[in-house]
Amino acid sequence: DADVTQTPRNRITKTGKRIMLECSQTKGHDRMYWYRQDPGLGLRLIYYSFDVKDINKGEISDGYSVSRQAQAKFSLSLESAIPNQTALYFCATRSPLGDNEQFFGPGTRLTVL
Amino acid sequence: AQSVSQHNHHVILSEAASLELGCNYSYGGTVNLFWYVQYPGQHLQLLLKYFSGDPLVKGIKGFEAEFIKSKFSFNLRKPSVQWSDTAEYFCAVNARGNNRLAFGKGNQVVVIP
Repeated sequence: DADVTQTPRNRITKTGKRIMLECSQTKGHDRMYWYRQDPGLGLRLIYYSFDVKDINKGEISDGYSVSRQAQAKFSLSLESAIPNQTALYFCATRSPLGDNEQFFGPGTRLTVL
Repeated sequence: AQSVSQHNHHVILSEAASLELGCNYSYGGTVNLFWYVQYPGQHLQLLLKYFSGDPLVKGIKGFEAEFIKSKFSFNLRKPSVQWSDTAEYFCAVNARGNNRLAFGKGNQVVVIP
């Protein structure tokens, strides 16, 4: 079974709609991250969280919000989706111990029409 | 702020050819270094990582990388590629004490049978 899961895996929506992407993990890690991947741009950090009460903006947080409902769950919301938010979204986790390796979910492909 | 540069975004080579992907970072302090691979349609997986010790790091599937501190580089190599190495490769850097990974823009590698 996958340690980091994301739902949905694919989503097509229209401009202006509210969308929530969900991430769950069974690794017991306290640190969770949301990235978006665009061709030729690599991965860019949207938000990250160290625990339920700690939320931090990444480099491209505008237009997004997050919720850390529990240690194992970290949701990303697009309040009013726009076409340039079409991308592949990845959730990741990281243990506070060791060498800062991050573990990635399978990704959500979001298309905003 | 840490940043990561990867050159030659698109690489096309034949099976059995040697592969070297460059990675340079801009951060003067102590770093943890990673190479991730993303096979077509899949999520990011760790290829190898450097935390401390021997600067020549061996990873999975015959990959290795060498950390050269004086050059701020962590180049990835494989002596003889296979068709199954077709993927996108990302270098990532974590500055010690920082909870974020900075990713390069990736190298799209296509191996022709």
